[in-house]
Amino acid sequence: KAGVTQTPRYLIKTRGQQVTLSCSPISGHRSVSWYQQTPGQGLQFLFEYFSETQRNKGNFPGRFSGRQFSNSRSEMNVSTLELGDSALYLCASSSGHLNNEQFFGPGTRLTVL
Amino acid sequence: GEDVEQSLFLSVREGDSSVINCTYTDSSSTYLYWYKQEPGAGLQLLTYIFSNMDMKQDQRLTVLLNKKDKHLSLRIADTQTGDSAIYFCAESMAGNNRKLIWGLGTSLAVNP
Repeated sequence: KAGVTQTPRYLIKTRGQQVTLSCSPISGHRSVSWYQQTPGQGLQFLFEYFSETQRNKGNFPGRFSGRQFSNSRSEMNVSTLELGDSALYLCASSSGHLNNEQFFGPGTRLTVL
Repeated sequence: GEDVEQSLFLSVREGDSSVINCTYTDSSSTYLYWYKQEPGAGLQLLTYIFSNMDMKQDQRLTVLLNKKDKHLSLRIADTQTGDSAIYFCAESMAGNNRKLIWGLGTSLAVNP
């Protein structure tokens, strides 16, 4: 089985721009979660999608949004980028079993200049 | 509130045991996890423990859970240089297993 893939792996943007990141989960997984990882804040939960519906949401501003397609692929979008949005964005897929074993992708490293 | 704390650094000699500690605040956590992150690689689930268990052993890894003190530890026996990585403790929220709350990670350095 192929693992979780994320594209692009690296991205450089400037303040005020917007960005879209993509995540393809493991085949058969219907749950996709997004996390932001920074040295100071660690891993913070952004949101989770299941069957095209946002099921859980973290404490991020409305500039951060996401969606999931019928094939379970997910995208997250950040509008009006700020310097503080520079981070590693990780996507994780899960089959939805109770133990919630999440499989992580390699991440997209976003740098905002 | 929700909080998971870990010490930031640990240094051990190759062959010794490593013990990484974690404390959490949500007494209703259902599962607790240990993840490993190596440079340039994604997060890898090492092991997890259900909250009604005290201990779980998996080859060189031993997880101990003290629910009364809300303390979780990961012991790595016979630590190798390949074990050098950042180790994250995470808890899942009661009623919402898919939202994980994470510690900041413990950077383990294994010296030859």
